[in-house]
Amino acid sequence: DIQMTQSPSSVSASVGDRVTITCRASQGIRTYSAWYQQKPGKAPKLLIYAASSLQSGVPSRFSGSGSGTDFTLTISSLQPEDFATYYCQQAKSFPFTFGPGTKVEIK
Amino acid sequence: EVQLLESGGGLVQPGGSLRLSCAASGFTFGSYGMSWVRQAPGKGLEWVSAISGSGASTYYADSLKGRLTISRDNSRNTLYLQMTSLRAEDTAAYYCAKHFSGGTYFFDSWGQGTLVTVSS
Repeated sequence: DIQMTQSPSSVSASVGDRVTITCRASQGIRTYSAWYQQKPGKAPKLLIYAASSLQSGVPSRFSGSGSGTDFTLTISSLQPEDFATYYCQQAKSFPFTFGPGTKVEIK
Repeated sequence: EVQLLESGGGLVQPGGSLRLSCAASGFTFGSYGMSWVRQAPGKGLEWVSAISGSGASTYYADSLKGRLTISRDNSRNTLYLQMTSLRAEDTAAYYCAKHFSGGTYFFDSWGQGTLVTVSS
């Protein structure tokens, strides 16, 4: 199985800050990665697919990059509604696996 | 607008069975693969099972294989997950998720989840 790791596990940031979350796959997955945002008690929401494609309706302050084993989600200017947990996912092969999550908290 | 509505969760005793349903609307259901993803309380996301648009192909997480059956009724726009021999560690919110277009396995729409609690 392909393992996904994320760092950091949590980050404290202020509104307006630039936040970067990284994800590493245990083997190469080309650009078959995605990022999801989840708020407490809610379903996950797709933000980025195919490593760098912005899902329709997602604000442009979110961006993704990477290929192979290393991927990055960047929030260019953190907004109050962005405080949530973020998960990466590999969609290269079964079983599809998620990273353990990164919680973005208010500083 | 895509809508996915899960049902069928609840309290079940260890060793019991449960069938979850996911009613879909707002898209051509039979044209998209679907998955179930679960989340134990306070934990991360775990992919559980997937099915192709036609229902001809099914996939399962190895740890759950043999205890799950995923199926779909495209005439009813409904996805199912039959779970048997349930264990305490199966306690989780179960989400159905629509696959992104093009045969990829990104999940672009999710239901609100249905909670399964396995306890005596």
